[in-house]
Amino acid sequence: AQSVTQLGSHVSVSEGALVLLRCNYSSSVPPYLFWYVQYPNQGLQLLLKYTSAATLVKGINGFEAEFKKSETSFHLTKPSAHMSDAAEYFCAVSGAGGTSYGKLTFGQGTILTVHP
Amino acid sequence: DTAVSQTPKYLVTQMGNDKSIKCEQNLGHDTMYWYKQDSKKFLKIMFSYNNKELIINETVPNRFSPKSPDKAHLNLHINSLELGDSAVYFCASSPAGTGPDEQFFGPGTRLTVL
Repeated sequence: AQSVTQLGSHVSVSEGALVLLRCNYSSSVPPYLFWYVQYPNQGLQLLLKYTSAATLVKGINGFEAEFKKSETSFHLTKPSAHMSDAAEYFCAVSGAGGTSYGKLTFGQGTILTVHP
Repeated sequence: DTAVSQTPKYLVTQMGNDKSIKCEQNLGHDTMYWYKQDSKKFLKIMFSYNNKELIINETVPNRFSPKSPDKAHLNLHINSLELGDSAVYFCASSPAGTGPDEQFFGPGTRLTVL
């Protein structure tokens, strides 16, 4: 069984400030972890993924996330927010085998608002 | 050049009707998925097909029937529509359906049941 919890359904930051979106996961098998972004009225786009290689993962648009097994976390960060980062962000987990094979389980999503 | 396309984009219908949503991917992927995003933006997988074969079937009412005529298409047919079926339905595809594969999502179909 696998699950994802995103802490904070809404995060608001000023342009240029640090972005931190929190994600904790639960998985009975070694997890693969993903962050997706959804802009209004669009589908989801992959930002980055963790696949058991480097624990610090760099993605598109200056985002990165760090896999911390001891904390079962995969928080998403960006040093300096841009207005165009305003969107909804989803953390997801997929298992490496068994019934979790290929199945993405999503968190509840976090809406990021960026103020000028 | 759309990678994953869905039709229609919007679908408004009455309770009790039967409707279909079509999905096509031109990425050459082997695996396709249907997800439902409810009014609270919660995304949940419904089905997954690999090379036209059903792989994942979550606890979805049997009023929902996916059909995959070939590996580039995965359609979703819904019988006897109910108010609770109102949601945004996303189709997605991935190369081989393995754990770390990126899933590519379509733009979504917003279904409203009146």
